[in-house]
Amino acid sequence: ILNVEQSPQSLHVQEGDSTNFTCSFPSSNFYALHWYRWETAKSPEALFVMTLNGDEKKKGRISATLNTKEGYSYLYIKGSQPEDSATYLCASDQTGANNLFFGTGTRLTVIP
Amino acid sequence: DSGVTQTPKHLITATGQRVTLRCSPRSGDLSVYWYQQSLDQGLQFLIQYYNGEERAKGNILERFSAQQFPDLHSELNLSSLELGDSALYFCASSATIPGKQYFGPGTRLTVT
Repeated sequence: ILNVEQSPQSLHVQEGDSTNFTCSFPSSNFYALHWYRWETAKSPEALFVMTLNGDEKKKGRISATLNTKEGYSYLYIKGSQPEDSATYLCASDQTGANNLFFGTGTRLTVIP
Repeated sequence: DSGVTQTPKHLITATGQRVTLRCSPRSGDLSVYWYQQSLDQGLQFLIQYYNGEERAKGNILERFSAQQFPDLHSELNLSSLELGDSALYFCASSATIPGKQYFGPGTRLTVT
């Protein structure tokens, strides 16, 4: 079982604040790092898939970076909105087959 | 709506019984993945199929089995059910490897 760790476990921010979370994963046998957004009572929704060291991806106010040499990825949210409240999951593909090992997530609450 | 469908949405059954969960992937997606989400754990990868063939196995119990049919829908069979099998079971599909996975709405299984 892979050790994919996320921090912090939960986070409360004020509307308008920017925030970031960390995902760490084994740097050996690395193929891809995925980020998902999971709202309560819904299913996980893919945000980004990153494969190369130094990759940066952006979708609106959300962006992510990847460091495969040291085994970490950051997810950034600029100007948080209440609708950003969700659990953010990262997952690592260490086999190349796209089967994912998920962290336990960072639960973000944005306070209006 | 991800395009992935799962049935049933909820299932309540007794210990020792057998159930079948069904998943239809997004149109054209050849890869299907099954995950288990228990109360005290994150998303756990169970098994992956690609175009009808088993591609990878994760933490899947011997009491569980799956298959992918020629029309690409997949079924997860859970037998000799125990209380600890109560969980949310997700199916996901992807078009590419590596690639974003699109999750279905999940089947919530309750074993009493």
